[in-house]
Amino acid sequence: GDSVTQMEGPVTLSEEAFLTINCTYTATGYPSLFWYVQYPGEGLQLLLKATKADDKGSNKGFEATYRKETTSFHLEKGSVQVSDSAVYFCAQFSGAGSYQLTFGKGTKLSVIP
Amino acid sequence: DAGVIQSPRHEVTEMGQEVTLRCKPISGHNSLFWYRQTMMRGLELLIYFNNNVPIDDSGMPEDRFSAKMPNASFSTLKIQPSEPRDSAVYFCASSLWGDETQYFGPGTRLLVL
Repeated sequence: GDSVTQMEGPVTLSEEAFLTINCTYTATGYPSLFWYVQYPGEGLQLLLKATKADDKGSNKGFEATYRKETTSFHLEKGSVQVSDSAVYFCAQFSGAGSYQLTFGKGTKLSVIP
Repeated sequence: DAGVIQSPRHEVTEMGQEVTLRCKPISGHNSLFWYRQTMMRGLELLIYFNNNVPIDDSGMPEDRFSAKMPNASFSTLKIQPSEPRDSAVYFCASSLWGDETQYFGPGTRLLVL
């Protein structure tokens, strides 16, 4: 079945460091892909998404490119801030009648000054 | 604009007691999702509704769990009787049917002693 695998955390970076969080998916078709972010004590918020191959989603300095050939959707940011400390979830939308989001297990990011 | 509203935000109860979690989706949204988040299992979809009708409840762990959506602006998730292994954060999310983006509430943190 459909699944999402993302790198396990926690990830600890210094402020202004480069961030990469890896995400790969398995699906029968070509799902839409998402990154959600969860700040401490809050629900998940959509960070960015891409709906087809080679699309790049971007928001708040974060980027991810839909790579069909490697079934990947890695999250990157060039310079992280302390305020980026959160848990990041990769997800795919399983359409074709099921209309479900399948989430990865989440990667906790801590950014230290 | 009001987002998804959940109540209570925190619930502490004793094993065997009935627990009712409540959710008010974003006005105009016609799909509603209940998720459970634990450290061990991550984010799990329990059940989702479209136009107040349950579409898929295959994620509901057992008969102790039940969910209802009596109208477009209210849903409940009930656990009866509760057990310590039900301790988790329960999220409600809503969307427009066919729209892949889901909007999450702040969650209810449940502790069953």
